[in-house]
Amino acid sequence: KAGVTQTPRYLIKTRGQQVTLSCSPISGHRSVSWYQQTPGQGLQFLFEYFSETQRNKGNFPGRFSGRQFSNSRSEMNVSTLELGDSALYLCASSLAGIGSYEQYFGPGTRLTVT
Amino acid sequence: AQTVTQSQPEMSVQEAETVTLSCTYDTSESDYYLFWYKQPPSRQMILVIRQEAYKQQNATENRFSVNFQKAAKSFSLKISDSQLGDAAMYFCACSLEYGNKLVFGAGTILRVKS
Repeated sequence: KAGVTQTPRYLIKTRGQQVTLSCSPISGHRSVSWYQQTPGQGLQFLFEYFSETQRNKGNFPGRFSGRQFSNSRSEMNVSTLELGDSALYLCASSLAGIGSYEQYFGPGTRLTVT
Repeated sequence: AQTVTQSQPEMSVQEAETVTLSCTYDTSESDYYLFWYKQPPSRQMILVIRQEAYKQQNATENRFSVNFQKAAKSFSLKISDSQLGDAAMYFCACSLEYGNKLVFGAGTILRVKS
């Protein structure tokens, strides 16, 4: 079974631009969560989608948004990029939307904002 | 709100020796789950071990075991017979029953010496 895939793997953007990152979960998984990883703030939860509905949201500004499609694939969008948005963005999928289930992580998308 | 604290930024262990990584957490919920995730350099995050808070018995996965002290809100990871492949960043994390929001600690870099 294929693992979680994220595209693109690397991205360089300029301040003020917007970016869309994609995540394909493991087949059959209905929950997709997004995390931001930076050296200063560590791993922080962005949001979780389950059956196309956002169920949980972290403490990030409205510039960060996401969505999930009927096939469980998810995208996250960051508008009006800031230098501080440079980070590794990790996507994780889970079979169900229950905290006890293991989350499987993708390789991440490395976003650099210049 | 949940918080997870890892007080050891970096640890070293000799190959074949045993090492313990510390983690404390705080939550007001009664049902929650605790995890240790491993993130090797430039590789994907993978689950090492999981503990359900309602279980008194400490979880064990081969060379990895935990010491779960619920009253003290402590969740340490013991790695026995350390191997070179164990070198990685280790994250302690907590999630509640509902939803897949993981709250991570800052991480501990484990170095294994041959």
